[in-house]
Formats: sequence, C-alpha cells, structure tokens
Amino acid sequence: DQQVKQNSPSLSVQEGRISILNCDYTNSMFDYFLWYKKYPAEGPTFLISISSIKDKNEDGRFTVFLNKSAKHLSLHIVPSQPGDSAVYFCAASAKGTYKYIFGTGTRLKVLA
Amino acid sequence: DVKVTQSSRYLVKRTGEKVFLECVQDMDHENMFWYRQDPGLGLRLIYFSYDVKMKEKGDIPEGYSVSREKKERFSLILESASTNQTSMYLCASSLDWDRGGRYGYTFGSGTRLTVV
Repeated sequence: DQQVKQNSPSLSVQEGRISILNCDYTNSMFDYFLWYKKYPAEGPTFLISISSIKDKNEDGRFTVFLNKSAKHLSLHIVPSQPGDSAVYFCAASAKGTYKYIFGTGTRLKVLA
Repeated sequence: DVKVTQSSRYLVKRTGEKVFLECVQDMDHENMFWYRQDPGLGLRLIYFSYDVKMKEKGDIPEGYSVSREKKERFSLILESASTNQTSMYLCASSLDWDRGGRYGYTFGSGTRLTVV
C-alpha cells in the first residue's frame, strides 16, 4: 500500500522554465513533508520542508505547496537550471513516529 | 556538518555470501535507518534503530538483519546474499525528537551492491 505516490517517473523541462513535481499521499495523519534531491551515486540531500499548518513554503528558487484537502503537495522550481537535473523524492511523516515514508521519485531533466 | 559515512561505495558479492554493510554517524543521533533504493520503487525501509541494541523491522526486512552495538554505528547484514538483493543501500540518521527536526534525515552516500 503506497502511502506516498509520485505518479510521474520523469519530467523534462527547458532551462529557465518552471519545473513542477507532484506528490500525493493517502494518510491523513501525515503532518510534515520533505523534498529530497538525489544525484546518481550520492545520498539524498534535504531540499525543502513544509508543516501541515502551512500551505506554502519558499526557499529561493524552490517553493513547496501543500493542499491538505486534496492530500497533495507540489514542488516548484523557478527558474529551472541544468544543475537541478536529479531525482526528487517527497517524504511524509506522522507526529509521534520516527520515520518518513518516501515516494517513488521523479527524475527531472533540465535541458540547456 | 553532520556526516553519515558508509564504508563502501561499491561492492560485488557472490550468491550465498554473508555481507556486512557498515554505517557510522558522527552527530550523536539516536535514530538510524537502512533503506534500499530501486528504480520505480523509491526508497524502501529495511530496518531502523532508535537506540543502542534496539531495532525494528521496516517494510522489507526479509533476508536482512541489523546490529547496533554502539550509538554511532549501524550495520546491515545480508545473511545469504541473493541476486534480488542487488540494489543501492542508503543509511540515514536523525535526532530523536521531532522526527529529526526541520531537515529530517541525513543520508550517507550509499553503497551500490551487486550480487552475482
């Protein structure tokens, strides 16, 4: 039972345009969400987070939006750069647990 | 900077071998995790530990065991390696409180294991 889903396995975007990566979840107990970025042969690194008390969090070129009623979050990258080409994982956690549940990942390719 | 170090970047082992994957973190984190990453399946939790000598099964523990004798070290053991255990293995750690705080987990660089 996949509690966190990233339905797009891959995405290609032109440099300078917006990249939108989507993530859906099913567990209404999730109240904290993270996005990680992963390059080949490296471990995932933290990108941005959002708590369920917010609907938007922004950090430079990266913005995460949370729609609790739809159980949906999205990561916007504006403007996209070739160095953003990586696999992006969303992860969700419920209060009182130690662990995060990860999505299957979306491979972003930013074309120069 | 928090560091999570996995002892090997690449490993090739034979079917039936006992395999040890080692992970060390230097930030006194209580929680440590082992995940495997496979294309189309994302990161799947194998085992985690919330204290020395404590362990809990994750989503796919079959064929694996773990050891945590010291707080900083968490070992993943493949009792008898099989080809379907060929994967990227990722170790992670986090603080005990608030699910690791704002940044969640800190991951190691991964070990690419090939079982032939």
